[in-house]
Amino acid sequence: EVYLVESGGGLVQPGGSLRLSCVDSGVTFRSYWMAWVRQPPGKGLEWVANINQDGSIKYYVDSVKGRFTISRDNAKSSLYLQMNSLRVEDTAVYYCARKGLPDNWGQGTLVTVSS
Amino acid sequence: QSVLTQPPSVSAAPGQRVTISCSGSSPNIGHNPVSWYQQLPGTAPRLLIYDNDKRPSVIPDRFSGSKSGTSATLGITGLQAGDEADYYCGSWDNSLSVVVFGGGTKLTVL
Repeated sequence: EVYLVESGGGLVQPGGSLRLSCVDSGVTFRSYWMAWVRQPPGKGLEWVANINQDGSIKYYVDSVKGRFTISRDNAKSSLYLQMNSLRVEDTAVYYCARKGLPDNWGQGTLVTVSS
Repeated sequence: QSVLTQPPSVSAAPGQRVTISCSGSSPNIGHNPVSWYQQLPGTAPRLLIYDNDKRPSVIPDRFSGSKSGTSATLGITGLQAGDEADYYCGSWDNSLSVVVFGGGTKLTVL
């Protein structure tokens, strides 16, 4: 069983920053691509970014390029999303997910960008 | 506007069969596998179908997937009240270099 647990969400003002973390309780974290997917309140899923096994390849959706950075620490079985220059439209539940096209999801952490 | 197109809603009576379509294009469904996800109210999505038609071992065989050309279909037989949820398709897009999702389909069991 794969357990992904996100943390780091909260309320932030427009222009602010947040760092999301995700810990994988399994033993195979380093073997998989990992991804962040978000879901604005009452809306559908939007893939945000993914990263390959050693962190050398990263992809981002256009709306977050230059503002968000995905990274990982395989020694800690952890995935991160550094979010800078946050906008109101970044408000969403952010899910950590295993594989580029996910097969396991965390429970999500809510990010609210508001003044 | 989602890259993959799904009907906003479908409905059927308990015990009946329902299908949900997912229409894409060559760079995504046309050249890459499709996954389907179920999202029950207030919960995270869970994987129902991967590689177009494969089910994780924990998913009952009432759920099935298929793909033809640039479209995919999720089928659910023997509908139960607990199947009421939002369903999403997803695939990698070679042109955009991103994962694309459909807009989601809300299933109502009448």
